[in-house]
Formats: sequence, C-alpha cells, structure tokens
Amino acid sequence: GESVGLHLPTLSVQEGDNSIINCAYSNSASDYFIWYKQESGKGPQFIIDIRSNMDKRQGQRVTVLLNKTVKHLSLQIAATQPGDSAVYFCAETPSGNNDMRFGAGTRLTVKP
Amino acid sequence: DTEVTQTPKHLVMGMTNKKSLKCEQHMGHRAMYWYKQKAKKPPELMFVYSYEKLSINESVPSRFSPECPNSSLLNLHLHALQPEDSALYLCASRRGGNEKLFFGSGTQLSVL
Repeated sequence: GESVGLHLPTLSVQEGDNSIINCAYSNSASDYFIWYKQESGKGPQFIIDIRSNMDKRQGQRVTVLLNKTVKHLSLQIAATQPGDSAVYFCAETPSGNNDMRFGAGTRLTVKP
Repeated sequence: DTEVTQTPKHLVMGMTNKKSLKCEQHMGHRAMYWYKQKAKKPPELMFVYSYEKLSINESVPSRFSPECPNSSLLNLHLHALQPEDSALYLCASRRGGNEKLFFGSGTQLSVL
C-alpha cells in the first residue's frame, strides 16, 4: 500500500552544523504533513507542520520544505544542538481522513 | 491544559491477565488515537475514535478492545495477550483531521 518513508535511517552531525532530514511519501491524497521528534522513553513531540497549499514553513531553528511534484518532505534544523539528538519522524494525513501515518524515522546524533 | 495523560507508565502482565490502559485529555479534542510502537520502529496506528465513535480499526486482533467512555477518555482493554504484543502503547488526540496530534508519554507494556 501507499506509505510514508525516509531516505536515511541515521544522521550524525557536528554541534553547530545544519541538519537535513528527508522523507518521501507516496500517497498523493495527503494534504497535511508533520515532523515529530521522539526522545527515548517519551511520546512523539510536535516540531512543525505544513499543509499542501504551502511549500515552505519556518519555525524557530527549523524549516520544513514540501515538494509535491516529487512527493518529498524535508526538515532542516539550523545550528544543531546536542538536545536535538533524537529520532525524527515525518507523518501524513490524507485529505478528509482521520488517520495519521508515520514514516520509518531517522536517528539524529549530534556530536559535541 | 495541553497534555495527554496515560496510565500506567509501565505494565507487566501474564498472557492470561486482563488489564486496561487509560488515556485522558482535556483539550476538547474530538479525535483520539491508539498507536503501538515497537523498539526502533515508527508508531503504528491501531484505532481512531471520532466524536466517541470508532472510525478506524486497523485490523487489530480482538485481544485488544478499545473503548471511549466520553470525549475526554480513551481506554484500551487487554486480554490474553502474546509476548509479541510487548511494546510502547501511545495515545494521542487532536481537534480535527488537519491538525497536529498531541501524544501522551505512553505505556510500556511487557507481556510475559
């Protein structure tokens, strides 16, 4: 079936560098996308979201880019800090639907 | 109040036991969710309640029985579970379809 997936399972960056985490989705009916951060032993924590009528959205140190043509989503984290170390998931909701599906996840490790 | 509260945080049960997981939110959200998450995997959707009615059941085995007593509460009744059901069970809620999900911290379940 259609699914949300990620290109890289792990990413290691130096403190202060920028991080980019990618996600490919295949459900063309999806019109709402979210990035979540999950630390060990905790529930997923909302980072940023974007609707399909936008291609870019910025938050504090984070930016989400949406390319509907190639069904690609990315999360950019500026000046990555040790506290950003976690697993990052993208998730999608199809239009008019209640469900939310998660991609495989990327583990981000920030080296001091 | 922007919290989803799950109890208990940890649960160990035998295969013949009956137990229940509880979830509560007071944000006025009308959609509530149960996810199952195995280690190093993304959350997998189990059930969705919308306006206290079951709207999605992802072909979950009948040994898992959800219940939504009112708009603030969500239960997951467990009976005759298998060791492979050991996982983190996450509850989440949101206001509507194209809104972010708020997650609880989860119940770490071990089935012996």
